[in-house]
Amino acid sequence: ETGVTQSPTHLIKTRGQQVTLRCSSQSGHNTVSWYQQALGQGPQFIFQYYREEENGRGNFPPRFSGLQFPNYSSELNVNALELDDSALYLCASSLDDEQFFGPGTRLTVL
Amino acid sequence: QQQVKQSPQSLIVQKGGISIINCAYENTAFDYFPWYQQFPGKGPALLIAIRPDVSEKKEGRFTISFNKSAKQFSLHIMDSQPGDSATYFCAASRSGYSTLTFGKGTMLLVSP
Repeated sequence: ETGVTQSPTHLIKTRGQQVTLRCSSQSGHNTVSWYQQALGQGPQFIFQYYREEENGRGNFPPRFSGLQFPNYSSELNVNALELDDSALYLCASSLDDEQFFGPGTRLTVL
Repeated sequence: QQQVKQSPQSLIVQKGGISIINCAYENTAFDYFPWYQQFPGKGPALLIAIRPDVSEKKEGRFTISFNKSAKQFSLHIMDSQPGDSATYFCAASRSGYSTLTFGKGTMLLVSP
């Protein structure tokens, strides 16, 4: 059984660009949640996908969007990048209340 | 509005000592309370979790104590080891919604 994987590991973008981050959920998990973790802070919930439908959203603007595919993998898209978007982006998969996190993608916006 | 407050922000404990981290929550609808351990450059790893129907849960050296009336819960690490040095996050959620609200974290350093 493989755990949650994310790609890429690191990414550097410039302000105004767009970025796509990817996540493969743990085998058998049908729910994927995305979190943003700024340096020195706890993860902040962005949104959640359950069986390919958005199932909840945190306090993030619409330029943060996502997808979930039939195999339950997921993408996080961020448009019009801002400097404050620099953070560790975490994906977590779950079948019930227990959420298991991937290693994250470190995004730096210059 | 910070719904989960965590303290202390940092903690230094000698090897073999007890590390104690505290959290308080505001939303009485929360009924699932996990603790995560995070090492630098890694994602958070689920350590132990508790639900309000019990006041304490122990797994190895890690114990969660839960006080429903005070809306507080805490993590105790017994016989702390240098390998326990990491950042610890408490979190809370409502069953069936699985969207975690995290505390700001506690950076634990266990000195040899």
